[in-house]
Amino acid sequence: GESVGLHLPTLSVQEGDNSIINCAYSNSASDYFIWYKQESGKGPQFIIDIRSNMDKRQGQRVTVLLNKTVKHLSLQIAATQPGDSAVYFCAEQVAWGKLQFGAGTQVVVTP
Amino acid sequence: DGGITQSPKYLFRKEGQNVTLSCEQNLNHDAMYWYRQDPGQGLRLIYYSQIVNDFQKGDIAEGYSVSREKKESFPLTVTSAQKNPTAFYLCASSIRRDTEAFFGQGTRLTVV
Repeated sequence: GESVGLHLPTLSVQEGDNSIINCAYSNSASDYFIWYKQESGKGPQFIIDIRSNMDKRQGQRVTVLLNKTVKHLSLQIAATQPGDSAVYFCAEQVAWGKLQFGAGTQVVVTP
Repeated sequence: DGGITQSPKYLFRKEGQNVTLSCEQNLNHDAMYWYRQDPGQGLRLIYYSQIVNDFQKGDIAEGYSVSREKKESFPLTVTSAQKNPTAFYLCASSIRRDTEAFFGQGTRLTVV
């Protein structure tokens, strides 16, 4: 039948506050993880990545944390800005050439 | 400018027709991918290719076909066998394992 659109989980954040977006991944053998940002009608943009031999990696205003014990990934955005409003996806590399994406989280930044 | 180009941006297809979506990259990447995105959902993998003249089915390959005759090109054909083709289609490429995939701007396909 026809696909039914699902409501994405939404994180509402006040401008200037920190955001934390969570993701549970499925495959304990996955060894590489990526966070993407997608604005409406556009392709996903790379934010930050992390390999399984690390548990934390920092970029500009973003930090990714990896907890392999519970198969959990998080993305922290410091001092959230209006331009950060978008859908955020985590992706895991389940095999070479095969990235599997999570369902996504809608981030809404309020003034 | 290096990047991934998808064309067309919008595409309308009559029921029962095949249609081909174009994806070209000038990044010299070995791997290329096709994903489908439905409203409010994540990306689902249709096909991927690690090298020229080779490709593998992803999670939702039924009703789709691809070719990889050149490193820079990975066209996707949506056949009449695909029951629900209306969606946003995204092409991506990556240079090697454990590196990020870069995405094109997508093609929105609508069946009329």
